[in-house]
Amino acid sequence: KAGVTQTPRYLIKTRGQQVTLSCSPISGHRSVSWYQQTPGQGLQFLFEYFSETQRNKGNFPGRFSGRQFSNSRSEMNVSTLELGDSALYLCASSSGQGVGDTQYFGPGTRLTVL
Amino acid sequence: SQQGEEDPQALSIQEGENATMNCSYKTSINNLQWYRQNSGRGLVHLILIRSNEREKHSGRLRVTLDTSKKSSSLLITASRAADTASYFCATEADRGSTLGRLYFGRGTQLTVWP
Repeated sequence: KAGVTQTPRYLIKTRGQQVTLSCSPISGHRSVSWYQQTPGQGLQFLFEYFSETQRNKGNFPGRFSGRQFSNSRSEMNVSTLELGDSALYLCASSSGQGVGDTQYFGPGTRLTVL
Repeated sequence: SQQGEEDPQALSIQEGENATMNCSYKTSINNLQWYRQNSGRGLVHLILIRSNEREKHSGRLRVTLDTSKKSSSLLITASRAADTASYFCATEADRGSTLGRLYFGRGTQLTVWP
């Protein structure tokens, strides 16, 4: 079974621009979660989608948004980029059946904002 | 915050030695999971221990959980240079709107010297 894939792997943007990151979950998985990893804040939960619906959301500003498609693929968008948005963005997929579901992570997208 | 804390932040050992990492958390949990990350890449799931379990083994890994002390430990026996990585504990709460949400600690950087 193919693992979680994320595209692109690396991205360089300038302040004020917007960016869209993509995540394809493991086949059969219906839940996709997004995390931001920075040296200062560590791993922070952004949001989780299941069957095209956002079920859970972390404490990030509205500039961070996401969506999920009917094939469970997910995208996250960051508008009006700030320098502090530079981070490794990780997505994870799971079956979404409930608590205790193992989350399988992708390789991440490294975003650099200049 | 439910975020866990790993201890130590960094650990340096020789091949063949055992490595022990500890994790403490703050609130009631459904389960605790350990992940490994190689140099800013994706997270690899190692083991999940549920709140009603006290110890779990997987290969060279041994995880313990003490819910009364809100702490867990990860033991890697007979370590190898290939075990060099960052190790994170992540908790999943047992109440509230927590579906798909893991709370991560800051991680322990393990270096195993040949």
